Amino acid sequence: QIQLQQSGPGLVKPSQTLSLTCAISGDSVSSNSAIWNWIRQSPSRGLEWLGRTYYRSKWYYDYAVSVKSRITINPDTSKNQFSLQLNSVTPEDTAVYYCARGGNWNYAYWGQGTLVTVSS
Amino acid sequence: QSALTQPPSASGSPGQSVTISCTGTSSDVGGYNYVSWYQHHPGKAPQLMIYDVNKRPSGVPDRFSGSKSGNTASLTVSGLQAEDEADYYCGSYAGSSNFMIFGGGTKLTIL
Repeated sequence: QIQLQQSGPGLVKPSQTLSLTCAISGDSVSSNSAIWNWIRQSPSRGLEWLGRTYYRSKWYYDYAVSVKSRITINPDTSKNQFSLQLNSVTPEDTAVYYCARGGNWNYAYWGQGTLVTVSS
Repeated sequence: QSALTQPPSASGSPGQSVTISCTGTSSDVGGYNYVSWYQHHPGKAPQLMIYDVNKRPSGVPDRFSGSKSGNTASLTVSGLQAEDEADYYCGSYAGSSNFMIFGGGTKLTIL
């Protein structure tokens, strides 16, 4: 049974860095068949894919154009988890953030979601 | 504005069928067989209902089916049940520049 457990603060100040972690159970972040994603949802932007990381003999990273200059997704093999860092946040980054395990461009397992509010 | 176009709402009575459309372009829906559909009950995580246009994950009832014609994908829910009332989102691979895009969601109401 694959489960994803998210953690991280629900309030971030403008211009600071949003940091979230997704702990994996029932699978390995280094799996050769899994792809680990971050997706967010807001009333103004709907569902928005942010980026992904996966391991195929080496680590690969892909990021959405809309956040590419501000985002980092990092796997942590020692803790079997992966993280999201989004720099220089604005109120537009207020959203529910989800981590998700995918195959090829579909997402069968999701974290519980974290509402992150960007406000001073 | 979402990249894929879905009707904001749909409805049907128990036992009936409803079809939700998802319109994109030849650069996304029409260009790849990577269309997926998600059921979302507010406050819960989305659930994958259909992937690769018409494949159902294990555990998803066969009342849910997917199809695609040109640049438009469709989700059909047959034999509507009360628990099908939710928001439904489509998603599609959009190539190596845009990667993954979603529709704006359709609220399905069971009358």
